[in-house]
Formats: sequence, C-alpha cells, structure tokens
Amino acid sequence: ETGVTQSPTHLIKTRGQQVTLRCSSQSGHNTVSWYQQALGQGPQFIFQYYREEENGRGNFPPRFSGLQFPNYSSELNVNALELDDSALYLCASSEEQGITDTQYFGPGTRLTVL
Amino acid sequence: GIQVEQSPPDLILQEGANSTLRCNFSDSVNNLQWFHQNPWGQLINLFYIPSGTKQNGRLSATTVATERYSLLYISSSQTTDSGVYFCAVERGDSSYKLIFGSGTRLLVRP
Repeated sequence: ETGVTQSPTHLIKTRGQQVTLRCSSQSGHNTVSWYQQALGQGPQFIFQYYREEENGRGNFPPRFSGLQFPNYSSELNVNALELDDSALYLCASSEEQGITDTQYFGPGTRLTVL
Repeated sequence: GIQVEQSPPDLILQEGANSTLRCNFSDSVNNLQWFHQNPWGQLINLFYIPSGTKQNGRLSATTVATERYSLLYISSSQTTDSGVYFCAVERGDSSYKLIFGSGTRLLVRP
C-alpha cells in the first residue's frame, strides 16, 4: 500500500471521446506526477503539478491536460482520444517539489481506446 | 535526451537463486530509483539511491554515479519477487521528471 489511490481501475472509450482519470495522493504530498505506460514499456512522464500549478511537462500534446486540487486530489484529462492512448496511466506523489525524494505510485487506471 | 538501459531484459530463476540487474545511464543524474512492478501493475519503490549502497532485507542496490550505472542485487529469490524491475533517473538539470528504462522481466520458478 502506497497511500495513493486512482479511479477508475479500468475504462473503455472509443476514438474521439474525452476521458478524466482521478488520483488521490497521500495527505501532505504537494507534488503529483502523471505517467503513461504502454504495454511492455516503461512509464513515460506526462506532466507534474506542484501546489496546483503545472511544474513540468513531457512530450505529450496539449489534449493531455491536468488539474490538482487543494485536497491532494488530481485529474488527468485526455481529449480527442486516439487508439495509441490505450495504456496504463499512473500517478505518483511526493512531499517535495520535483523528484527529490521517494515517489509513491498509485495502482493505475488501464484505459482501452477502441 | 538521457538514455536509460537495463539488462538483462528477461531473467528466469529457480527459487533460492541470486541475481544482479544492471542499469546504465548516459548522462549525469540527480537521483536514481529502483521500482518493482507486480503483475497487477502496481509500482513499488525499492530504493532511492542517487549514489552509494543501500540494503533492505534480501535486496540491495549500488549506484556509481561517476561511472553512470546502478546495480540491484536480489538474494535468495522467492516467487513473489517475480515482476518487472525498473530503474528510473532524473536528469542533472532538475527536470522534475523520472525517465524510466525498459525494465527487466523476472520470473522466479518454485
């Protein structure tokens, strides 16, 4: 148990639809990062939020967006879904800004785009 | 960008055997972490180890930052050690993102 939860566990969408994934961090963790993990690969960094502001972004298009809330919850929104968006989406939280300490990952949301 | 290479890509062990997993990285890093991903997808942090050696039970890790590699040792392996082991680094310019290798898939047979 890492104290980080994600919902839903699984999700099936069709191409062109929009999806919102949710993450609840440990209390006191001000930083949340989102990663996309395609089958058989390592996770790829999407973006990071620190105290409700985007703090860094990977090579993902603007249709991937996020929000972080004061209650240590966060969202990942993906618009205009494409088949290649099918993946396991992971959120990770930590106390400090950046990657200065241990990252705690949630169990992930498995998204299938048909 | 920085490259993270892990070896071997796949490993099959008999229960009780020892193993060494390697992570090479192509540039200076601020930190390095080892993770274990179980068959259900949960990533568990094993070590936060930008340099030096740490031990936790049957697992230990060593990072030699000047030579740009890290090793994860698993002793007396158990079937519950099966899964994928990832090495992840943060670039030296504090990019605030972890860059993962492609992982070592470990299967421990009873």
